[in-house]
Amino acid sequence: SQQGEEDPQALSIQEGENATMNCSYKTSINNLQWYRQNSGRGLVHLILIRSNEREKHSGRLRVTLDTSKKSSSLLITASRAADTASYFCATAGDLYNQGGKLIFGQGTELSVKP
Amino acid sequence: DVKVTQSSRYLVKRTGEKVFLECVQDMDHENMFWYRQDPGLGLRLIYFSYDVKMKEKGDIPEGYSVSREKKERFSLILESASTNQTSMYLCASSFSGRRSYSYNEQFFGPGTRLTVL
Repeated sequence: SQQGEEDPQALSIQEGENATMNCSYKTSINNLQWYRQNSGRGLVHLILIRSNEREKHSGRLRVTLDTSKKSSSLLITASRAADTASYFCATAGDLYNQGGKLIFGQGTELSVKP
Repeated sequence: DVKVTQSSRYLVKRTGEKVFLECVQDMDHENMFWYRQDPGLGLRLIYFSYDVKMKEKGDIPEGYSVSREKKERFSLILESASTNQTSMYLCASSFSGRRSYSYNEQFFGPGTRLTVL
């Protein structure tokens, strides 16, 4: 079952603008991860935020987590055409007993126009 | 760098054929996963394995089986391919959450686009 709901489903912006994607989930988590998928390729892990963290940065990426609202957001600053891809959130529950399963959202399709 | 490889990027098979999709990882990961990805449906987990010879059903196991005889290799088998199994298949692997440094980040292969005619 897909726990993560992502919003918006599609986003189109101009190069240089910021892109914000949101993810909501339903059950308690150990951590939340964001992945990127270029068209027709596999997913690539971008960033992970643990349930006891509220914000994390990696280069032009900023992730926030609000466990009280069961939501997360991914912000890409100063976007580039090369950021065009689909972005997925994924949640990890019990690290020890679920065989490493992640629950993925439906994804946000980001288009950055030059 | 972690490397997850899949046996084919593109595959065309006929209805009723037995199809094998192979996935190999070189990072000593305990966990391995098979997903299918269809437009509008996101990633759906077919089967996963947390150890050699162990397998667990995911959300959509019907019509599929898996095999994990060696730690590095996880095979997905379509016993009798059908047109509704036309899809992108993604393999992934990760360390066990029992390792102190693992948060279950998954590493994906490039995907196999399977067409069943």
